[in-house]
Amino acid sequence: DAMVIQNPRYQVTQFGKPVTLSCSQTLNHNVMYWYQQKSSQAPKLLFHYYDKDFNNEADTPDNFQSRRPNTSFCFLDIRSPGLGDAAMYLCATSRARGVQETQYFGPGTRLLVL
Amino acid sequence: GENVEQHPSTLSVQEGDSAVIKCTYSDSASNYFPWYKQELGKRPQLIIDIRSNVGEKKDQRIAVTLNKTAKHFSLHITETQPEDSAVYFCAASRVGAAGNKLTFGGGTRVLVKP
Repeated sequence: DAMVIQNPRYQVTQFGKPVTLSCSQTLNHNVMYWYQQKSSQAPKLLFHYYDKDFNNEADTPDNFQSRRPNTSFCFLDIRSPGLGDAAMYLCATSRARGVQETQYFGPGTRLLVL
Repeated sequence: GENVEQHPSTLSVQEGDSAVIKCTYSDSASNYFPWYKQELGKRPQLIIDIRSNVGEKKDQRIAVTLNKTAKHFSLHITETQPEDSAVYFCAASRVGAAGNKLTFGGGTRVLVKP
């Protein structure tokens, strides 16, 4: 089945220790998004890629970086995780930009920072 | 930027009754309005969406209405069932060259009591 896959589903890291979360998709969608969702809150967009074109949100901390080596994969790098970065990280995809396209979410990676 | 307000934050209904969730948005250029359902620990899943050229859309027990003049849209769930219990998020998007960035409302926790 075509889908959005996130690995790992749960990630424990230490304060200040870099961590990478991964997302892959079999939908062949051009656009991939990373959202941060804290407990009982709405998802908050961090950045998105349209093909290789990277679009950062103005309020996304520099501590968060992303890479998209090919259409199928996208990575979220947290360079120095703080306690406040503990959250669910959701990857989403959509077919195109500039049209009213549905975003499909992956199952998320829950990050715990010790 | 866009701002989406969602009310109520919690909603408790008796099984079989209707549930209504309301959202307002600030950017008159927003033109795409999806609703997502998120069960505990799971991904947001699209349940219905509406585009700005349509005033109402229905899918079985779920309907969404859009009032562009007043900049508000609502989700209606009829004949609620226990499996409708979840957090519901509305979102607004101004689809264009800059991307399809979803701005979410704060969420409504719906509890359907048997």
